[in-house]
Amino acid sequence: RKEVEQDPGPFNVPEGATVAFNCTYSNSASQSFFWYRQDCRKEPKLLMSVYSSGNEDGRFTAQLNRASQYISLLIRDSKLSDSATYLCVVSPGGSARQLTFGSGTQLTVLP
Amino acid sequence: DVKVTQSSRYLVKRTGEKVFLECVQDMDHENMFWYRQDPGLGLRLIYFSYDVKMKEKGDIPEGYSVSREKKERFSLILESASTNQTSMYLCASSPPSSNQPQHFGDGTRLSIL
Repeated sequence: RKEVEQDPGPFNVPEGATVAFNCTYSNSASQSFFWYRQDCRKEPKLLMSVYSSGNEDGRFTAQLNRASQYISLLIRDSKLSDSATYLCVVSPGGSARQLTFGSGTQLTVLP
Repeated sequence: DVKVTQSSRYLVKRTGEKVFLECVQDMDHENMFWYRQDPGLGLRLIYFSYDVKMKEKGDIPEGYSVSREKKERFSLILESASTNQTSMYLCASSPPSSNQPQHFGDGTRLSIL
């Protein structure tokens, strides 16, 4: 089983739609969680951290469910510029400084 | 703003050559990482370093080595390049404490002919 699993998609949605991605992780000791965004042929960029109580940044909402070991990302009012691959990222926990990256979910927002 | 700079965006080398990929960060980060990214396989950690002259193997270190002589610079070395090392290589850095997000360079698209 992969440490971090994501539905690879692709998700094709019309502009203005709401879309949600889920991610599951296997290490119950994981302490930190992030969503990254990666545009085609570019580097991954931090979109947002995911906090236990859930957090929102504009049109983006991240949720964490520790009991079920999954993380979600909700995008409201999708824009064409949201088209990208979204990577779920988890820290192993403890003193480890490396991160574990999911393979990504591809989103295309259609006009 | 964190700046991670990789020396080349595109690089073409021949089988058997020794290849150096350089990465420099300007935020005084202790942690630096080298990944490769291939379609369908995601990001895979090659090597990482927590301090100068310190290195640790990641998930796929075979065929690679690294050098960290200065805090800001982390070099990836392909000792004898092979065609299966054709890939996108990404360098990242992060602050010293655990569980911190990483900041990536632009990536080097390396082709081995």
